Amino acid sequence: KQEVTQIPAALSVPEGENLVLNCSFTDSAIYNLQWFRQDPGKGLTSLLLIQSSQREQTSGRLNASLDKSSGRSTLYIAASQPGDSATYLCAVINNDYKLSFGAGTTVTVRA
Amino acid sequence: DVKVTQSSRYLVKRTGEKVFLECVQDMDHENMFWYRQDPGLGLRLIYFSYDVKMKEKGDIPEGYSVSREKKERFSLILESASTNQTSMYLCASNSPRTGYTDTQYFGPGTRLTVL
Repeated sequence: KQEVTQIPAALSVPEGENLVLNCSFTDSAIYNLQWFRQDPGKGLTSLLLIQSSQREQTSGRLNASLDKSSGRSTLYIAASQPGDSATYLCAVINNDYKLSFGAGTTVTVRA
Repeated sequence: DVKVTQSSRYLVKRTGEKVFLECVQDMDHENMFWYRQDPGLGLRLIYFSYDVKMKEKGDIPEGYSVSREKKERFSLILESASTNQTSMYLCASNSPRTGYTDTQYFGPGTRLTVL
C-alpha cells in the first residue's frame, strides 16, 4: 500500500525567504505526482502536476522536482510572500488510478 | 472553469441520524470521488464512481454508502452517524477522457460534526 510522507509538518519563515517542502512515497510505480494548496476550511487547488517521465515542473515562483526511483519530490517556492501561507499537500496517482495523499505541510510566512 | 460544489459548508448532526452529503460537478466528468480529511492523516478515499450507477470502495468505506443516479451528482450517505465520523468531507471529479493522469478538481468541503 502506497504511503506518502511530508516533512516538515509545519514551517514558519520570514517574508522573502525561499521555501523547501519535501514529499516521499514508498512505491515508485506511480503515474504522476501532484502538489496541491489548501487554505483553511477550503478545498484543494492543484498547483503542479509532474508526469512520471518528467523530472520537474515550473509555474511562476513554484518549482517541483521528482526523483521517482528514490521516491522523493520537492516543492520549492521562491521569495515567499504572506499570501503563500497555506497547507501544501503532496499526492501520487498509483497504478490503480487512485490518489494517495500526504498529511501536508502547513506554511506560515511572516510579514 | 471546472466547478465542484457541495451542498453544505458546515453540518451538525446527532449520533444515529442519517446524513446525506451532496456533490455536484458541472464539467461532465465521469469520475467522482469522496474523501475525508483528518488532522495528521491527510485525505483518505471513502468511495469513488466511474459512471452513473457504478461505485467502488476506497480505503475506508465502512459506515458509508454512496449513490450516483445522475452523472453530475454523487452523494455520500452516513446511514447512522457516529462521533468518529466527525471530519472534513471533500468531493472531487475528473475525466478519463483526459487520461487518469489528469488532476482531480475538488469542492470546498463540508465540515461535519456529529454530537
